[in-house]
Amino acid sequence: GQQVMQIPQYQHVQEGEDFTTYCNSSTTLSNIQWYKQRPGGHPVFLIQLVKSGEVKKQKRLTFQFGEAKKNSSLHITATQTTDVGTYFCAGEGSSNTGKLIFGQGTTLQVKP
Amino acid sequence: DAGITQSPRHKVTETGTPVTLRCHQTENHRYMYWYRQDPGHGLRLIHYSYGVKDTDKGEVSDGYSVSRSKTEDFLLTLESATSSQTSVYFCAISGGTSGGENIQYFGAGTRLSVL
Repeated sequence: GQQVMQIPQYQHVQEGEDFTTYCNSSTTLSNIQWYKQRPGGHPVFLIQLVKSGEVKKQKRLTFQFGEAKKNSSLHITATQTTDVGTYFCAGEGSSNTGKLIFGQGTTLQVKP
Repeated sequence: DAGITQSPRHKVTETGTPVTLRCHQTENHRYMYWYRQDPGHGLRLIHYSYGVKDTDKGEVSDGYSVSRSKTEDFLLTLESATSSQTSVYFCAISGGTSGGENIQYFGAGTRLSVL
């Protein structure tokens, strides 16, 4: 079945350093979404990418969707303590069933 | 946050007992989902519903059943709870499958411990 792999599983950075998490799907995706889960909280939608090669920015966060629509990345510039949490990518297959396959998540710790 | 309520928020039960978790939404969204979250596994889909009385299995459906008799309610039942079902359970909703309608909104979660 479809799988979405996400790396790294954990990342510790010093405040001000950059951070990147990568997501790879075993199959072509119709779209990919990114969610953030704060410690003790629930996943919250960040963004959706639909087009091949798409790049979107939200302040210090940059999201990319690969040309083949099988991989994606989230890059955070100059991390802050408020960035702490687990970031999940979630891919929807080409069948548009509404089902998302989530990556395992990358947990980001930021040292002040 | 979307109007999603999960109950109970915490539950401790014994092996072999039945358990039902409830997800209630006030958004009139078509799709509803049950996930479990375990360390190292991210969010894994248990069952989902694409309409009243329309449900389908996810990747980890063994030992779980669901029912959706009304648009607003999606119940997850563990017929005979096992320790391997100790987890955090999240309900999610989405409105559809095109544009922004496939964005999922999550409830606060239910922490279940099976002793």
